[in-house]
Amino acid sequence: SQQGEEDPQALSIQEGENATMNCSYKTSINNLQWYRQNSGRGLVHLILIRSNEREKHSGRLRVTLDTSKKSSSLLITASRAADTASYFCATGTSGNTPLVFGKGTRLSVIA
Amino acid sequence: GAGVSQTPSNKVTEKGKYVELRCDPISGHTALYWYRQSLGQGPEFLIYFQGTGAADDSGLPNDRFFAVRPEGSVSTLKIQRTERGDSAVYLCASRTTSGSTGELFFGEGSRLTVL
Repeated sequence: SQQGEEDPQALSIQEGENATMNCSYKTSINNLQWYRQNSGRGLVHLILIRSNEREKHSGRLRVTLDTSKKSSSLLITASRAADTASYFCATGTSGNTPLVFGKGTRLSVIA
Repeated sequence: GAGVSQTPSNKVTEKGKYVELRCDPISGHTALYWYRQSLGQGPEFLIYFQGTGAADDSGLPNDRFFAVRPEGSVSTLKIQRTERGDSAVYLCASRTTSGSTGELFFGEGSRLTVL
């Protein structure tokens, strides 16, 4: 089963623009993570935000978490063609349960 | 090795055949996970190991799927009597601790095609 639902499913923007992807989930979480996947490749971890955090930055990435709305957003600023990939949110609940991934957002950045 | 290694990268087999997919995690990572990813979907959890034991196998779809990690390092996912619906990319990931915290390190995946 998949916990997270990313929105939009696909996003196409021009190089230099900002890209915003959203993730909604259903149950209480311990942390939420974002991963990136280039076509035909494995997933690469981008950033982790804990349930007691509201915002986190890493380079051109900004992640927010609203536990009251059970939602998170990933903002990529000043996008580049190399940012073209699929982006997945994954939720971690308490205890020993594995991460549960959403269906992903396919981002296309046009040069 | 430097990262999670999966072999084979591609496997084409016929319906009804037996398949083994191998995962070599990052050295020292005690937790190892198998996920399955269909086209256009996110990874779906299959099973995870803490050391040599399967800590959670609730994601295995049926008894045709089995996984082992006998020495707490390399893991093998075994699929018996393959069906066309088993076609997917099988992803392996590892991390230093079990559970829900910390990042997962993924391999490049094994793409299985059942004809």
